[in-house]
Amino acid sequence: DAGVIQSPRHEVTEMGQEVTLRCKPISGHNSLFWYRQTMMRGLELLIYFNNNVPIDDSGMPEDRFSAKMPNASFSTLKIQPSEPRDSAVYFCASSPRPGTGTDTQYFGPGTRLTVL
Amino acid sequence: KQEVTQIPAALSVPEGENLVLNCSFTDSAIYNLQWFRQDPGKGLTSLLLIQSSQREQTSGRLNASLDKSSGRSTLYIAASQPGDSATYLCAVIRSGGSNYKLTFGKGTLLTVNP
Repeated sequence: DAGVIQSPRHEVTEMGQEVTLRCKPISGHNSLFWYRQTMMRGLELLIYFNNNVPIDDSGMPEDRFSAKMPNASFSTLKIQPSEPRDSAVYFCASSPRPGTGTDTQYFGPGTRLTVL
Repeated sequence: KQEVTQIPAALSVPEGENLVLNCSFTDSAIYNLQWFRQDPGKGLTSLLLIQSSQREQTSGRLNASLDKSSGRSTLYIAASQPGDSATYLCAVIRSGGSNYKLTFGKGTLLTVNP
């Protein structure tokens, strides 16, 4: 299996521009997670989808952030407009059946976003 | 609010040494605890998952223990190797509701010197 695939791996953009991050979860996994990692705050959950439906978006920092999962094999995280404080590494993870206490989450390699 | 702390933040040891990484959490009502490894520029890889009813898990040279009542977990690495150099993250899932939400510590950066 190819694992969780994220693109792009690196993104450099200017403040005010729209940024779209993409994720392909592991085939057959029902749940998908978006995380953000910074030195100051560590890893934080942004949003969680189960069967393509957003279940918990309480971690999305502002209305500038939005996420979609149009089908079981694709998700996007969009930032519009981007700001320098959005600079971070964004991870996507998927899991077969979270909530059972037995399943781990499988992480993608991350997208390093730099907003100038 | 669950908080996860990892001490030390960084650790450097000579090859072959046995070592212990520590993790503490403030709310003992957890579903499970996981240890992950993160290599530079890469995602996280799950090492061990301990369910709340378990006391420890072992995988090769790794042994993780869990003491829910005291809010502590340790990751023991035996006979460390340079290839073990990475950041190790501890994460817990809180029971009673959001049993999918991992709360992470900030990690321990381990360097094993040849």
